[in-house]
Amino acid sequence: DAGVIQSPRHEVTEMGQEVTLRCKPISGHNSLFWYRQTMMRGLELLIYFNNNVPIDDSGMPEDRFSAKMPNASFSTLKIQPSEPRDSAVYFCASSTPESGPGGYTFGSGTRLTVV
Amino acid sequence: DQQVKQNSPSLSVQEGRISILNCDYTNSMFDYFLWYKKYPAEGPTFLISISSIKDKNEDGRFTVFLNKSAKHLSLHIVPSQPGDSAVYFCAGYPGGGADGLTFGKGTHLIIQP
Repeated sequence: DAGVIQSPRHEVTEMGQEVTLRCKPISGHNSLFWYRQTMMRGLELLIYFNNNVPIDDSGMPEDRFSAKMPNASFSTLKIQPSEPRDSAVYFCASSTPESGPGGYTFGSGTRLTVV
Repeated sequence: DQQVKQNSPSLSVQEGRISILNCDYTNSMFDYFLWYKKYPAEGPTFLISISSIKDKNEDGRFTVFLNKSAKHLSLHIVPSQPGDSAVYFCAGYPGGGADGLTFGKGTHLIIQP
């Protein structure tokens, strides 16, 4: 199993540009989570999906952030327009009921730098 | 409001000794508590969990203790090995149909030879 795959690994963009982060969950996993890691706030849950349906997006910081899951094997997190304070590592994770409570598999993350 | 707190940003322990990582929480509704381990440039990986109705769970060198009255849990690693050097995150799982772990900010454990 290739695990949770995120792309790109690194992204450097200019303020005001649109940024799209991508995630491929583990095949058969029906829950998908987007997290953001910063020094100040640690790991924050942004949004999660069950069976491709967004369940809780209360962690999405602003309307500039949006996430989609068009099918069971793909999800995107988009920031438009991007700002320097969005610089962080963004993680995607997936799970299945068989994973046990809270048993997520994380991807390696996308390090986003907005200059 | 931080629901899960790890008050020690870093901890240094000698190889072979016991490492004790601490975590406090404020949300009494957490159903499970988990510890994740993270190496640089990698995502967090699940290490061990404990149900809120238990007070101890052991898996090899790793033991998690839960004190519900104090809203405190700890992870013990015995004996500590160089490969244990990583950032450890404590997390609470809500259960009850909700999902989404709430993480602490992490503790960087350094095992010294």
